[in-house]
Formats: sequence, C-alpha cells, structure tokens
Amino acid sequence: EPEVTQTPSHQVTQMGQEVILRCVPISNHLYFYWYRQILGQKVEFLVSFYNNEISEKSEIFDDQFSVERPDGSNFTLKIRSTKLEDSAMYFCASGAGGTYGYTFGSGTRLTVV
Amino acid sequence: QKEVEQNSGPLSVPEGAIASLNCTYSDRVSQSFFWYRQYSGKSPELIMSIYSNGDKEDGRFTAQLNKASQYVSLLIRDSQPSDSATYLCAGIIQGAQKLVFGQGTRLTINP
Repeated sequence: EPEVTQTPSHQVTQMGQEVILRCVPISNHLYFYWYRQILGQKVEFLVSFYNNEISEKSEIFDDQFSVERPDGSNFTLKIRSTKLEDSAMYFCASGAGGTYGYTFGSGTRLTVV
Repeated sequence: QKEVEQNSGPLSVPEGAIASLNCTYSDRVSQSFFWYRQYSGKSPELIMSIYSNGDKEDGRFTAQLNKASQYVSLLIRDSQPSDSATYLCAGIIQGAQKLVFGQGTRLTINP
C-alpha cells in the first residue's frame, strides 16, 4: 500500500536554530499538508499546499514557518529560529483532493532544547 | 463552537463489548467525515470515512452520520484489546482543502 514517508523520525535542535522536516507524499496525490501535535494535545492543521503554492494556512503558520516542494517528490517544512514551544510531533499528509481522506506519514518528533 | 468536538474520555469497555464513540461538528465543516485511530506515539491511521446520512459498515466498524443533528459516531463491535487507542473524528472545512480534528477520545478495552 502506498505510504507517506517522513524523515528524520526524531530531530533534536537547539533553540534558535533552523530545522527542515522532509516528506515524500504518495506519488499520485495532489494535495499536501503539515500538521502538528504537541504531546497530549490534538492534531492541529498548519498548512495545505496545492499546485506549488499554499492554499490554506492556520494562525500557527506564521513567518517562522515555510513550505517548499523543491522537486517532483519531496515536500519540506522549514522552521526558522526554533523555540521551545515548537517541540511537537510534525505529521506530513497527502490526499487526492475532494472528499477523500488524507494519508499521514509516521511523523517527525522535534525536540527543541 | 469548535469545528469538531469529541468527548476526550477515557472510555473503558470490556473485551467483546461494543464501543461507541461520538463526535459533533459545526456549520463550518462539510459533509465529509473521517475516523482515524492513533496509537500512542504513532501517526493517525484512517479507518473509516462517511459522506451520506445513515450507517456505513466495514468489518467490526460502523460509522454513523446524522446531518440534521450534526453528529457522527463510530461503533466498534466485538472490541479487542488491540482496539485500545485514541480515536480522532475529523471533517473537511467547507470550501477549503483542510481537514480538522477533534481532540480525540481515548479508548481502553479491558481483557
């Protein structure tokens, strides 16, 4: 079964550093997403990406965050100047659009120290 | 009103019984709904989708949608200890490609 692949599985970074989280979505999907889940809390939408541009973003997704699809397969989330409160699981997801559900990757656990 | 709301539980059910999980949604959410299962430390896994009023069955799982009451539920028959997880209700925001989640219900199946 096709899957969404995320790397790394765990990233530890110092406060103020930049991190890039990587994702390879399912190849025939057109919509790509990033979600965040702080430990013990709900899964929160960050951003959706379609046709090489952001289609929706949440209030969490401020200037500290950016997304990119640098080639035909990868989808990245960059977090600049990380803060302690950015520590969370970050999930990439992809979908075929319309009313279909999204498939989630296994996540990257980001720890900011 | 939150877009998707769930009782966070925990919900405890004996093995072999029926587990019933509930969710309500606001007017901002479209008529496409999903149930995801999330084991501790893992990613959400899609288990059911429902778009039409009524029931949809898949093995031991039945999703129910009542549009008039803006209510979605998931029934798990013959509950197994391996069903112990957090169940996330999700819906798509109208006019946007954006899936939003409830806070999840933690389900424990007791042997």
